[in-house]
Amino acid sequence: EIVMTQSPATLSVSPGERVTLSCKASQSVRTNVAWHQQRPGQAPRLLIYAASTRVTGIPARFSGNGSGTEFTLTVTSLQSDDFAVYYCQEYSSWPPLFTFGPGTKVDVK
Amino acid sequence: QVQLEESGGGVVQPGGSLRLTCAASGFTFSQYGMHWVRQAPGKGPEWVAVIWFDGSNQYYSDSVKGRFTISRDKSKSEVYLQMNSLRVDDTAMYYCARLAHLTIDYWGRGTQVTVSS
Repeated sequence: EIVMTQSPATLSVSPGERVTLSCKASQSVRTNVAWHQQRPGQAPRLLIYAASTRVTGIPARFSGNGSGTEFTLTVTSLQSDDFAVYYCQEYSSWPPLFTFGPGTKVDVK
Repeated sequence: QVQLEESGGGVVQPGGSLRLTCAASGFTFSQYGMHWVRQAPGKGPEWVAVIWFDGSNQYYSDSVKGRFTISRDKSKSEVYLQMNSLRVDDTAMYYCARLAHLTIDYWGRGTQVTVSS
């Protein structure tokens, strides 16, 4: 079973700053990684799939990178709407397991 | 636009059953697989089950295998989660979600399930 880990658990930043979130898989998942954003009190929403493909309508300040076991999500110039929890999720396993990481909370410094 | 609306949640005693329903609209339901994903209070999401676009295959997490059943009705554009032998640790918000790009793209707003005596 693939285990997804994320670091840091919490990131305190100021609006306008750039942040990079890390996600690691316990074994290679190729580029089968998605990133989901969850704002307080809301359902998650998909930002990135295939490690680096941005969903239509997601601002260009969000970008994903990585392959194999190491992945990053970068948000340039953080906006107020971006303070949220970010989850990475793999979809490489067969039978499918769609395993999520524990999340990184981005909050206001 | 894509809309997924869950219903059927509530409070149930341990050992009891519930059936969740997800009504889908805004897309061609018969062309997409569908998931159920749950999230316990203060925790990250946990994938529960997926059903293929044509209902031909279903897969489950180990934590619910043998107790939960996912199904769908093409004529109603609905997907269901029958939950039996419920346990306290099944308490969570249950989300219906669409399978696209090999993963989860759209999420519903969720329905709360609480298992408590």
